[in-house]
Amino acid sequence: AQKITQTQPGMFVQEKEAVTLDCTYDTSDQSYGLFWYKQPSSGEMIFLIYQGSYDEQNATEGRYSLNFQKARKSANLVISASQLGDSAMYFCAMRFLNYGGSQGNLIFGKGTKLSVKP
Amino acid sequence: GAGVSQSPRYKVAKRGQDVALRCDPISGHVSLFWYQQALGQGPEFLTYFQNEAQLDKSGLPSDRFFAERPEGSVSTLKIQRTQQEDSAVYLCASSSGNFNQPQHFGDGTRLSIL
Repeated sequence: AQKITQTQPGMFVQEKEAVTLDCTYDTSDQSYGLFWYKQPSSGEMIFLIYQGSYDEQNATEGRYSLNFQKARKSANLVISASQLGDSAMYFCAMRFLNYGGSQGNLIFGKGTKLSVKP
Repeated sequence: GAGVSQSPRYKVAKRGQDVALRCDPISGHVSLFWYQQALGQGPEFLTYFQNEAQLDKSGLPSDRFFAERPEGSVSTLKIQRTQQEDSAVYLCASSSGNFNQPQHFGDGTRLSIL
């Protein structure tokens, strides 16, 4: 069964420090995509970063980087230089190819609530 | 518009009433997804459209849930004879359809069934 596991229900980090949010996944497929989304208390889901299963280099987007370890089936999100505005729920998600090659739906983890302390 | 637009933002209904939730995707996006997010949980897939074709409805929890996208743009999720367990946030997402492109989400509709 395809599954995303986020083992940290809540995390605290001091402003300006780095934080790692854990994500492991379970699949026997070879082709998949991994995504991280941020959901502030206002409710919108904001796309942060993407990693394809065949990408050899770890993805980076500004202060966000993805520590992708394919053999261990982990895709941890690293946020550098945390800001107060980073306080939110963070979701790891996975997607597979549909028949015909189109993208499939996302499978989400339960999320990690990050709180940034001033 | 620039992003995915959902309406209404909040909906309160009495048990047994029918509700309709609207999603206006990003212009040109062929793929449209509906998700249901219970309190404190991650979103769960309901249904998927490619243009006007509903290619996957495996996540719809019962036959009371119905979705359509008749002209390949705006989509409506309808819930008939609502039950208290239908209370959740309903998220709509759209994308270009390419595998490495993200899905862009609307702000969601928070549905409360009394």
